[in-house]
Amino acid sequence: GAGVSQSPSNKVTEKGKDVELRCDPISGHTALYWYRQRLGQGLEFLIYFQGNSAPDKSGLPSDRFSAERTGESVSTLTIQRTQQEDSAVYLCASSPWTSGSEQYFGPGTRLTVT
Amino acid sequence: SQQGEEDPQALSIQEGENATMNCSYKTSINNLQWYRQNSGRGLVHLILIRSNEREKHSGRLRVTLDTSKKSSSLLITASRAADTASYFCATDFNLRGTSYGKLTFGQGTILTVHP
Repeated sequence: GAGVSQSPSNKVTEKGKDVELRCDPISGHTALYWYRQRLGQGLEFLIYFQGNSAPDKSGLPSDRFSAERTGESVSTLTIQRTQQEDSAVYLCASSPWTSGSEQYFGPGTRLTVT
Repeated sequence: SQQGEEDPQALSIQEGENATMNCSYKTSINNLQWYRQNSGRGLVHLILIRSNEREKHSGRLRVTLDTSKKSSSLLITASRAADTASYFCATDFNLRGTSYGKLTFGQGTILTVHP
């Protein structure tokens, strides 16, 4: 079956513009996670969804970041008024459940804010 | 701060040699996972070891977990040029006995295997 997909694969935007990143998880996976990875760094947790609800938003860096998930499927991560420090690869992962399971990662969206 | 810290930060070996990467963490965990990343994009899950396990094997991979020392190691035997990648450990916290599945990643080890 299809893996996790993300779009766009690359996004270049001007500082101050809003961007929307999309994640299509593996069908039937209950849990969905967003991470951010800056160049040469490990992954930073942003938010996770259990179904359509987000019990843990603790990793969102500021109120410019928001995310939603609908139909226990697609999720979008929105960054408003982008700043240069938002430049990173944004990775989405899904798993069948939240406890004790491996996560399946998408290829990521490389965001560059100029 | 990062829960997992890997060392070394970079490792360069010849094909056929073994590669060992280490990971330390700070709090109680439900499980520890190792992932591989090529070219700074998507991660691939390699192996998961639960807190009550001490050693696990998968093909040429061997993972150990020492919960008393809060450390884990990943051994890749008979390395190949295709093993060149970044390797990350990730811990699944044990927060008041509950796992939320939220993984905390270390900074990674960059492994280069020369043909």
